[in-house]
Amino acid sequence: SAVISQKPSRDICQRGTSLTIQCQVDSQVTMMFWYRQQPGQSLTLIATANQGSEATYESGFVIDKFPISRPNLTFSTLTVSNMSPEDSSIYLCSDLARDRGRLQETQYFGPGTRLLVL
Amino acid sequence: GENVEQHPSTLSVQEGDSAVIKCTYSDSASNYFPWYKQELGKRPQLIIDIRSNVGEKKDQRIAVTLNKTAKHFSLHITETQPEDSAVYFCAARGTGRRALTFGSGTRLQVQP
Repeated sequence: SAVISQKPSRDICQRGTSLTIQCQVDSQVTMMFWYRQQPGQSLTLIATANQGSEATYESGFVIDKFPISRPNLTFSTLTVSNMSPEDSSIYLCSDLARDRGRLQETQYFGPGTRLLVL
Repeated sequence: GENVEQHPSTLSVQEGDSAVIKCTYSDSASNYFPWYKQELGKRPQLIIDIRSNVGEKKDQRIAVTLNKTAKHFSLHITETQPEDSAVYFCAARGTGRRALTFGSGTRLQVQP
């Protein structure tokens, strides 16, 4: 499985500012995703990060608020723009990797970025 | 799109008992159903998965069953141990999508 790292691991930000989260995968993967996990809640897909083109956003998420880049197959960034306290959440990077010996692609998660907006 | 519902939201069992978590999905064309375990402050970790051409899969103390007709699947944990305490998420991969859709989660507490 691909090892996924994220930074920062946590941050405390002031409302109105923006934060960029970086995600690095240690091998080339087919797809990368960004999820949000609000406190005590499930994982909600924000968008699919497409290599070399605009991300594909889910209903309720827009590019102006969550711009995403994926300049190559192993790296992606998510920016949380013009933050408000409602953006306080854990943001998780995820990839889709085909493990040796398995027919099915497996989705793995990074350690997450814990964001608190004051 | 795909919708996944999960029950119960919390489950408390005595050590050694069995635990069962159930999920239903909406997209009849979904073909992949993984289960993730998330310990406090940690990332979700895949514990078992099943594809739509299989009815049951077992891995030591955990098993997953799938009923395609009824569009539901379940996680079974036998001989529970305190270290099984965590939040468990079911998920499904729907038609034309590569990303998983997750259930709402079940907080399992195993009492020693």
